[in-house]
Amino acid sequence: DGGITQSPKYLFRKEGQNVTLSCEQNLNHDAMYWYRQDPGQGLRLIYYSQIVNDFQKGDIAEGYSVSREKKESFPLTVTSAQKNPTAFYLCASSGDRTNEQYFGPGTRLTVT
Amino acid sequence: GQQVMQIPQYQHVQEGEDFTTYCNSSTTLSNIQWYKQRPGGHPVFLIQLVKSGEVKKQKRLTFQFGEAKKNSSLHITATQTTDVGTYFCAGPVTGNQFYFGTGTSLTVIP
Repeated sequence: DGGITQSPKYLFRKEGQNVTLSCEQNLNHDAMYWYRQDPGQGLRLIYYSQIVNDFQKGDIAEGYSVSREKKESFPLTVTSAQKNPTAFYLCASSGDRTNEQYFGPGTRLTVT
Repeated sequence: GQQVMQIPQYQHVQEGEDFTTYCNSSTTLSNIQWYKQRPGGHPVFLIQLVKSGEVKKQKRLTFQFGEAKKNSSLHITATQTTDVGTYFCAGPVTGNQFYFGTGTSLTVIP
């Protein structure tokens, strides 16, 4: 059963703590993405990776970090430097033949 | 930088009425994609348009790409409650990176 998994679905953290969101795909896609969605808003790109061991900043990368050590995995760390971390975080991937993006179910992060 | 705007932001329709959302880019797009996000869910790919003036249909959904490749529309005929959700357009920035529009949230009143 191919697809993208994100865990956990809901995550609660105290302000000042770093937190890492998981994203795994078994679609053999080279490109992976992290988006942030706020209530009633569109998707804003945080980071993307076109290939293993390479990634680029998106529009709102400040306060976030990523790694791409394996093709299947693209974890996102929300650091304490991110001023408004509470949001819905979506991971996506796309293949070579088509740049259609496949999204994971998302992680809803609440920081208090 | 590139911007992709969508209107309207919200739309409420009676079941059976038609619905249209419009997507406008500040720059010419090589192609445009449309996605649907159900409430509480994640975006799901609907279609990609590539050619100038292209029109594609999926059952009650009709997608158009403008002649100048700077705008696109999604039209739903005779809406059903299953059409509820937010519809996003997305245009390419570089290669595989896409810039998502602001989205149109559709509510269908039974």
